[in-house]
Amino acid sequence: DARVTQTPRDKVTEMGQEVTMRCQPILGHNTVFWYRQTMMQGLELLAYFRNRAPLDDSGMPKDRFSAEMPDATLATLKIQPSEPRDSAVYFCASGSGQGADTQYFGPGTRLTVL
Amino acid sequence: AQSVTQPDIHITVSEGASLELRCNYSYGATPYLFWYVQSPGQGLQLLLKYFSGDTLVQGIKGFEAEFKRSQSSFNLRKPSVHWSDAAEYFCAVGPGNTDKLIFGTGTRLQVFP
Repeated sequence: DARVTQTPRDKVTEMGQEVTMRCQPILGHNTVFWYRQTMMQGLELLAYFRNRAPLDDSGMPKDRFSAEMPDATLATLKIQPSEPRDSAVYFCASGSGQGADTQYFGPGTRLTVL
Repeated sequence: AQSVTQPDIHITVSEGASLELRCNYSYGATPYLFWYVQSPGQGLQLLLKYFSGDTLVQGIKGFEAEFKRSQSSFNLRKPSVHWSDAAEYFCAVGPGNTDKLIFGTGTRLQVFP
């Protein structure tokens, strides 16, 4: 049963620290999405990649957030420096890259910035 | 602008009762429509999707949804709810020519025994 995996599942850090979240998409999927979920804003798309190239990162605060795909099996989302308002659940999803096709979500990383 | 509205923030039903969760969208052309479910502490799981063809779509876990173009709606239904259906349900719309989905704010379903 192919799944998207995310690490860590939970992260507590102090304001100003760097946070790195990792995602392993489903093997063979060439599109990767990063979402942020909060009570106030709901589910927001931060960025997405196809074939490791960023297609849209307009939802991501550029000054502190960065997203990369070092290789086809790993996507990373970094926050530096982190702030309390970054506290949220961050989801990675992957898809087959065929237009608005099904996105398969990982279990999420719950980030708490103190 | 494209948007998705889920008018009901929270719905409570008794186990065995029928269920309908509402979803309205705003989009110029026929969109791709999705329903996802999120159990506590979990990611989103696809229940069903509509791209074209038969406007009544069957999904997993006994759910179905009907696309009504005239009402710009894609409501989710289940004839008999089980306690395990308690979760948050998200409707999403995708324009089809990109991968981006727009999600509604979700409806939290509570099921009483």
